Amino acid sequence: DAKTTQPPSMDCAEGRAANLPCNHSTISGNEYVYWYRQIHSQGPQYIIHGLKNNETNEMASLIITEDRKSSTLILPHATLRDTAVYYCIVRPHQGAGSYQLTFGKGTKLSVIP
Amino acid sequence: GAGVSQTPSNKVTEKGKYVELRCDPISGHTALYWYRQSLGQGPEFLIYFQGTGAADDSGLPNDRFFAVRPEGSVSTLKIQRTERGDSAVYLCASSLTRDREGNGYTFGSGTRLTVV
Repeated sequence: DAKTTQPPSMDCAEGRAANLPCNHSTISGNEYVYWYRQIHSQGPQYIIHGLKNNETNEMASLIITEDRKSSTLILPHATLRDTAVYYCIVRPHQGAGSYQLTFGKGTKLSVIP
Repeated sequence: GAGVSQTPSNKVTEKGKYVELRCDPISGHTALYWYRQSLGQGPEFLIYFQGTGAADDSGLPNDRFFAVRPEGSVSTLKIQRTERGDSAVYLCASSLTRDREGNGYTFGSGTRLTVV
């Protein structure tokens, strides 16, 4: 079972920041937080991951709370092409299950013109 | 090609028939994964190959499902005696070695299987 909880859907105005929350209150010390997204009729696409520090790349920023029980994915300037289902996943880098991605139902983000 | 290729993109079959789904991973990727995605759900892990061997097949739902990767590249997912409940999108992903950080997983667009 997925160890994360996400809202089922969110809307965001085009050009505005999209902030997608994720709860992972049972995360273990060796588990990372990953975000993937799935655009309609495509396979999932990696976005970003982190352990405890905030991370930023060309696609998004990841903010992880100090207690690591929740995180927020930020798309700074959402475009229509960002409309997708966003999945928050916790995963260890080593040991059992380290190669499996356990997806929940994700958040369907709709970017509105 | 540059990405993971899955064929066919769509497959309709009758209940009880046998089907094969093919995955061409990215060249040089030694790890290969199969996932299944039912309507409205996230993908679920089926099996993981490292090279030619199935390192973990714990996600296969029952013995009607089988996957092979004989030369460590192309993989085929085989489903015997298909049932309507097998209808789903079957996704394949590949990565370099075991890609500990998981950001190197590249998914294909999947095969949509419909059992009628």
